[in-house]
Amino acid sequence: QKEVEQNSGPLSVPEGAIASLNCTYSDRVSQSFFWYRQYSGKSPELIMSIYSNGDKEDGRFTAQLNKASQYVSLLIRDSQPSDSATYLCAVRKGNNRLAFGKGNQVVVIP
Amino acid sequence: SQTIHQWPATLVQPVGSPLSLECTVEGTSNPNLYWYRQAAGRGLQLLFYSVGIGQISSEVPQNLSASRPQDRQFILSSKKLLLSDSGFYLCAWSLKGGEAFFGQGTRLTVV
Repeated sequence: QKEVEQNSGPLSVPEGAIASLNCTYSDRVSQSFFWYRQYSGKSPELIMSIYSNGDKEDGRFTAQLNKASQYVSLLIRDSQPSDSATYLCAVRKGNNRLAFGKGNQVVVIP
Repeated sequence: SQTIHQWPATLVQPVGSPLSLECTVEGTSNPNLYWYRQAAGRGLQLLFYSVGIGQISSEVPQNLSASRPQDRQFILSSKKLLLSDSGFYLCAWSLKGGEAFFGQGTRLTVV
């Protein structure tokens, strides 16, 4: 099992709709969880961090964490064309390693 | 505020040539430092990370090495580049347990 898994293929959503991204991780001792956005040819930028079970909202973004299920998700409400990017899930283990999933490409269709 | 500088932005090197990529962080002390590589259409592969001066953890056996000669300086090196070393190299910093922040990246093409 991969450390951080993002299995969904490219996600196309109409402008104004909700985009939903999922991520699972293998190590139960993981403590910190992050979502990054990466535009083509650019470096990743942090959009959300979450450390405890439940939901965390920041503007149009909501991160959800379920440590029992080893599952992290990201919801993007009112999707805009500027949200078209690859979204990377990252998980920090106790030894300071920060592992990333392969990413999910999101395409917002005007 | 903290900033991270990584250079050069692009690099074209012949097979067998040496490599040195440098990354520096400003505005913080004792950061964790990371080198990642991203091949075309792939995820981020952790190459090295460091929790302090001279402390380097290697993730993947390869012909690359890393050094941390100063608290806020992280260097990625190779004595002889391979074609398979081409990719997008990213340096990142974090405080312990916190978010990681990336430099602009270096796009390396080995020809």
